Amino acid sequence: DQQVKQNSPSLSVQEGRISILNCDYTNSMFDYFLWYKKYPAEGPTFLISISSIKDKNEDGRFTVFLNKSAKHLSLHIVPSQPGDSAVYFCAASWMDSSYKLIFGSGTRLLVRP
Amino acid sequence: DVKVTQSSRYLVKRTGEKVFLECVQDMDHENMFWYRQDPGLGLRLIYFSYDVKMKEKGDIPEGYSVSREKKERFSLILESASTNQTSMYLCASSFQLAGGVYEQYFGPGTRLTVT
Repeated sequence: DQQVKQNSPSLSVQEGRISILNCDYTNSMFDYFLWYKKYPAEGPTFLISISSIKDKNEDGRFTVFLNKSAKHLSLHIVPSQPGDSAVYFCAASWMDSSYKLIFGSGTRLLVRP
Repeated sequence: DVKVTQSSRYLVKRTGEKVFLECVQDMDHENMFWYRQDPGLGLRLIYFSYDVKMKEKGDIPEGYSVSREKKERFSLILESASTNQTSMYLCASSFQLAGGVYEQYFGPGTRLTVT
């Protein structure tokens, strides 16, 4: 029973365009969400996060949107660059067990030059 | 910079062998984790530890055990390796951010192949 779902295993985008990666969750107790980026042969690295009290968080080219009523979050990358090509994992946690993260299955992003 | 290191990048073992995967973090973090990453399944938690000698099972602990004798070191043990344990193993440690949430830092991973 996957509590965090990334339904698109892959996404291909032209350089300079917007990349939108989606994530759905089922557990309404989740109150903190993170995105991690993973290059081949490296561990995931933290990218951006959002608390459930917000609906948007922005950091440079990266913006995360949270729609609590739909239990949906998305990561927008604008403009996309070839160096953004990686696997992106969505993760969620909740206050009573905030040190533990539940990860989605990942979306592989390819940014074409 | 937080550094999480893992003892091996690549490992090949035979079925039935006992396998030790070592992880060390240098930032005095309380919590440490072991995940495995498989295509289409994402990162699945095997075990975690919130203090020295303390451990809790994650989502897929069967066939694995762990040891945390020192704060900076967290070991994953495959008692008798099987081919279905061929995977990428990732270690992480975490610290608490403002507001009570945690951010995890990952090591580079160990690609284990069991033949």
